[in-house]
Amino acid sequence: RKEVEQDPGPFNVPEGATVAFNCTYSNSASQSFFWYRQDCRKEPKLLMSVYSSGNEDGRFTAQLNRASQYISLLIRDSKLSDSATYLCVVNNQAGTALIFGKGTTLSVSS
Amino acid sequence: DAGITQSPRYKITETGRQVTLMCHQTWSHSYMFWYRQDLGHGLRLIYYSAAADITDKGEVPDGYVVSRSKTENFPLTLESATRSQTSVYFCATLAGIPSYEQYFGPGTRLTVT
Repeated sequence: RKEVEQDPGPFNVPEGATVAFNCTYSNSASQSFFWYRQDCRKEPKLLMSVYSSGNEDGRFTAQLNRASQYISLLIRDSKLSDSATYLCVVNNQAGTALIFGKGTTLSVSS
Repeated sequence: DAGITQSPRYKITETGRQVTLMCHQTWSHSYMFWYRQDLGHGLRLIYYSAAADITDKGEVPDGYVVSRSKTENFPLTLESATRSQTSVYFCATLAGIPSYEQYFGPGTRLTVT
């Protein structure tokens, strides 16, 4: 099992749609979880951290299920500007580095 | 206030040549990282450094050398470039262990012919 697995997509949705991305991780000792966003040919940037209680930032909601080792990202009311690749990220076993999933590509169309 | 910079941004080199990619940060973050990103593989960690003069291997270190004599610089050297090292290379720093937010440089696109 790979350390961080994501559905690569692409997810093609119309503006205004709600879309959900899922991610699983293999290291049960992981303590830190994130979603990063990467625009085409640019550097990844932090979108949001993921907490056990779940957290929301505007149209974005992240959930963590430690028992199932599963992370999700929900985007409501999709905008054209949300088109990007979304990277699921967890810390490594030693807690010294981050492990990135391969990313899920989202394309929002008008 | 540039934060984290990488140079060169684009590089074409020939097989067998030595190439050094530079990474510089202005924040004095302790941790620095080098990743490569290829289609189908996502971001893979090459090397990282916890502080000056402390470096450690990541997932794909073979063919690469790093050094960190100063906190702000973390160069990555390809000792004898191969075509398989054609990739986009990202340098990153870590803001702090509790937050684990990594800041990435703009990347270096390296082509080995």
